[in-house]
Amino acid sequence: NAGVTQTPKFQVLKTGQSMTLQCAQDMNHEYMSWYRQDPGMGLRLIHYSVGAGITDQGEVPNGYNVSRSTTEDFPLRLLSAAPSQTSVYFCASSYARPWEKLFFGSGTQLSVL
Amino acid sequence: GIQVEQSPPDLILQEGANSTLRCNFSDSVNNLQWFHQNPWGQLINLFYIPSGTKQNGRLSATTVATERYSLLYISSSQTTDSGVYFCAVRDDKIIFGKGTRLHILP
Repeated sequence: NAGVTQTPKFQVLKTGQSMTLQCAQDMNHEYMSWYRQDPGMGLRLIHYSVGAGITDQGEVPNGYNVSRSTTEDFPLRLLSAAPSQTSVYFCASSYARPWEKLFFGSGTQLSVL
Repeated sequence: GIQVEQSPPDLILQEGANSTLRCNFSDSVNNLQWFHQNPWGQLINLFYIPSGTKQNGRLSATTVATERYSLLYISSSQTTDSGVYFCAVRDDKIIFGKGTRLHILP
């Protein structure tokens, strides 16, 4: 049982480049989410989804797009990377009803130069 | 939206000491979780505790939902307890506090 799998683990981009962070889970979880972690800021929610075809914005959605075409996958897209998006990104998933434990991926360290 | 505040922000203790971490939330919730982020960045779920008290070894947690707070107790601290402790609550989405950074000195 792989749990929550994030790829890549590290990425360096130039300003203006685009990329997709991949997240997949094999636990049949309805709820999936993306967080960014910056020093002193804790974990801030970017986007989340409560099921296939349903997405919604979190606390810091600007500059990021998501889609949820399957239960298993929840990719995060940066269309035009900016230095302010340098951060550690975490994907997390859980059952939605009832809400139980939230499981995290191992994170992606992203640097935008 | 719901606000989550954790205290203290930083805590330095000698190995063997006990500690209490607090999580306050601004609105009524029916769910709360505690997480530990180890020095390598890995996030591990410690407790799912919407109310009442749970214990797991040297760690225990209590949530009083009617008073909008939760406490995480760590007894007989070990250096492996170092890291950042987060609490999280859910309304329609899961929101985290900013965490308590715990450093256990050998």
